Amino acid sequence: DVKVTQSSRYLVKRTGEKVFLECVQDMDHENMFWYRQDPGLGLRLIYFSYDVKMKEKGDIPEGYSVSREKKERFSLILESASTNQTSMYLCASSFMNTEAFFGQGTRLTVV
Amino acid sequence: AQSVTQPDIHITVSEGASLELRCNYSYGATPYLFWYVQSPGQGLQLLLKYFSGDTLVQGIKGFEAEFKRSQSSFNLRKPSVHWSDAAEYFCAVGLQTGANNLFFGTGTRLTVIP
Repeated sequence: DVKVTQSSRYLVKRTGEKVFLECVQDMDHENMFWYRQDPGLGLRLIYFSYDVKMKEKGDIPEGYSVSREKKERFSLILESASTNQTSMYLCASSFMNTEAFFGQGTRLTVV
Repeated sequence: AQSVTQPDIHITVSEGASLELRCNYSYGATPYLFWYVQSPGQGLQLLLKYFSGDTLVQGIKGFEAEFKRSQSSFNLRKPSVHWSDAAEYFCAVGLQTGANNLFFGTGTRLTVIP
C-alpha cells in the first residue's frame, strides 16, 4: 500500500515563526501536492511538484513556499506564519494523472 | 476553468436508508473522476474512481457511482447506510491531459441517525 507520511499531526506556532511541514511518500510517485482544508471551502491547492526541484503554484500560494530536493520528500514552508494560516494541511502524492494518496494531515494553529 | 460542485453541504440520513451524494463538474472533455471519504481528523481515503469504460463503478465499503456524461455528473450512492459511514465526502476531478493535480468540491458532510 502507498504510504504518505506527514511529520506532525498537530503543530502550534507563534505568529512570525518560520514553519516547516514535511511529507514523505514511499511509492516513487512523480507528483506531490500540498492542500489546505478549511470548513466550507473544501481542499485548495497550495503548490504541487511533478519532479525533483520542480514546482508549480496552485490556487493559493501566497505566504507559502515549497521544496523538493528528493523525489520522496515534499516540504511546505510558511516563511512568516500568520493567524490566517491556521488550518488543516494535507499532503498527497500520485502517479501520472491517477488518483492521489493522502497523508493524515497536519492541523496547524498559529497563535 | 475546471470546477466541481457538490450542492449539498450537509445530509442527514437514517441508518439503513439509501444515500445519494451529488457531484457535478465543469470541464471541456471527459475527466477522471473520484470520490474520497474523510473521517474526522483524518486524511482522505479513495472510495472509487472512473477513468473510462463502464459508467457504473463500484468502490469500497459498498459504495458505487455513476458517470453521466450528458449531465456532467458523478453521483455517489449506497443502498443501505451504516452508522460508520458518517464522514465528509469529497468529489474530485482530474484532467486526462495537462496538469496532474485534482480539483475538489467543497465536500458533503454526512450524518447518520439511528
